[in-house]
Amino acid sequence: AQSVTQPDIHITVSEGASLELRCNYSYGATPYLFWYVQSPGQGLQLLLKYFSGDTLVQGIKGFEAEFKRSQSSFNLRKPSVHWSDAAEYFCAVGARGSSNTGKLIFGQGTTLQVKP
Amino acid sequence: EPEVTQTPSHQVTQMGQEVILRCVPISNHLYFYWYRQILGQKVEFLVSFYNNEISEKSEIFDDQFSVERPDGSNFTLKIRSTKLEDSAMYFCASGPEFNTEAFFGQGTRLTVV
Repeated sequence: AQSVTQPDIHITVSEGASLELRCNYSYGATPYLFWYVQSPGQGLQLLLKYFSGDTLVQGIKGFEAEFKRSQSSFNLRKPSVHWSDAAEYFCAVGARGSSNTGKLIFGQGTTLQVKP
Repeated sequence: EPEVTQTPSHQVTQMGQEVILRCVPISNHLYFYWYRQILGQKVEFLVSFYNNEISEKSEIFDDQFSVERPDGSNFTLKIRSTKLEDSAMYFCASGPEFNTEAFFGQGTRLTVV
C-alpha cells in the first residue's frame, strides 16, 4: 500500500538559516510527488510537484525539492528561511497509470517554527 | 487567480443531523475531490469524482456520505447523519486534467456536538 512518512513532526529554525524537510514514500513505482503548505486557518497551497524529468524541481516562495529514487525520498529545501515560512508542510504522493484517480496520500505533516 | 471556494467556513451541527458542505471548483477543472483533516491528524482522502460519477472512494466514505455536482458548477458533500467523529476540516479540491495536481479550497470546519 502507498504511504508517506515525514519523520520530523516539528522543526524550529532561525530566520535566514537553511531548511530541509524530509519525506519518504512507499510505492511500487515512481509516484507523482507533491509538497503542500498550510498556514494557520488556511487551505493547502501547492509549493511544487514532480512528475518526471529533472529530479530537482523548483517551486514557489524559493522552495525546491529533490527526488531521489534510490532513497524513495522527496525532501524539501530552502536556502534561507523567512518568518513568513512558518506553517505546516505536507508531502503527498499520487498514483500513476490506470490506477490514477487523482487521489493523494498525505504524510503526517511537519510544523515549521521560525525563530527571529 | 482562479481558486476553489468552500462554504461555509465553519459549520456547527448536532449529532444525527444532515449537513451539506459546498464547493465551487475552478471553472475549467474536470476532477473533483473531498479530503478531511481531523484535528492534529493527517489529511485523508475521501472521494474523487469525474464525469459525474465517483472514481474512487476511501473506507471512510461509507453510506453516510454522498457527493453531487447538481448544477455544473457546485460540488457538494453530504453527510446524512453526523457523528461526533465526523468533526474535522473538510477540504474540496479540483484538478484540470488527468495526472495533474489538485488545487485546494480553504476548507470547512465541521463541528458536531
